Amino acid sequence: GENVEQHPSTLSVQEGDSAVIKCTYSDSASNYFPWYKQELGKGPQLIIDIRSNVGEKKDQRIAVTLNKTAKHFSLHITETQPEDSAVYFCAASRSGGGADGLTFGKGTHLIIQP
Amino acid sequence: GAVVSQHPSWVICKSGTSVKIECRSLDFQATTMFWYRQFPKQSLMLMATSNEGSKATYEQGVEKDKFLINHASLTLSTLTVTSAHPEDSSFYICSARQGFGANVLTFGAGSRLTVL
Repeated sequence: GENVEQHPSTLSVQEGDSAVIKCTYSDSASNYFPWYKQELGKGPQLIIDIRSNVGEKKDQRIAVTLNKTAKHFSLHITETQPEDSAVYFCAASRSGGGADGLTFGKGTHLIIQP
Repeated sequence: GAVVSQHPSWVICKSGTSVKIECRSLDFQATTMFWYRQFPKQSLMLMATSNEGSKATYEQGVEKDKFLINHASLTLSTLTVTSAHPEDSSFYICSARQGFGANVLTFGAGSRLTVL
């Protein structure tokens, strides 16, 4: 089955700086890679996703890059703000049918220092 | 956008009792729902896949008689923790997928179960 590794487990950056979280996956058939943000005591919220037919996707301060050959993808947050502090999870799955869910990374606790 | 409602958000029960958690898709029909368990500061662990009108598919190591899942309609799946024990205390999260093949999942807000 799929195995997703996520690094770092904790990331502390100064407000206004950029944050980068990296994930690798094992199943070359995976072609859907979402990122979720989870605040304390809440369920994960989808913040951005990418499919394997593109290499990069951007939404305001958030971007995701995908390297299919190396089987890794990264989340980039620019101009970080205090409200970006949360736990971020990457995930991977196959699309196109089937009942499989997502395989999640172990999460990165992002701390934005004022 | 798609909304998934999970109820209750938190529950405290005595050891030996059963607890039911509901997961509802509010503005879409969910042919598939997923149930996850999350321990403090850890990732989401998939427990089972719930398909409308059929039996749930459980992940290895998850006791189907312990965690009963029912997906009787396209908008509702329930997870019942039977004969709960303190080790069942956890954060349980559901997610719902719109339509077959769609991999965009919407998560509920989670249910915090504490078993005394």
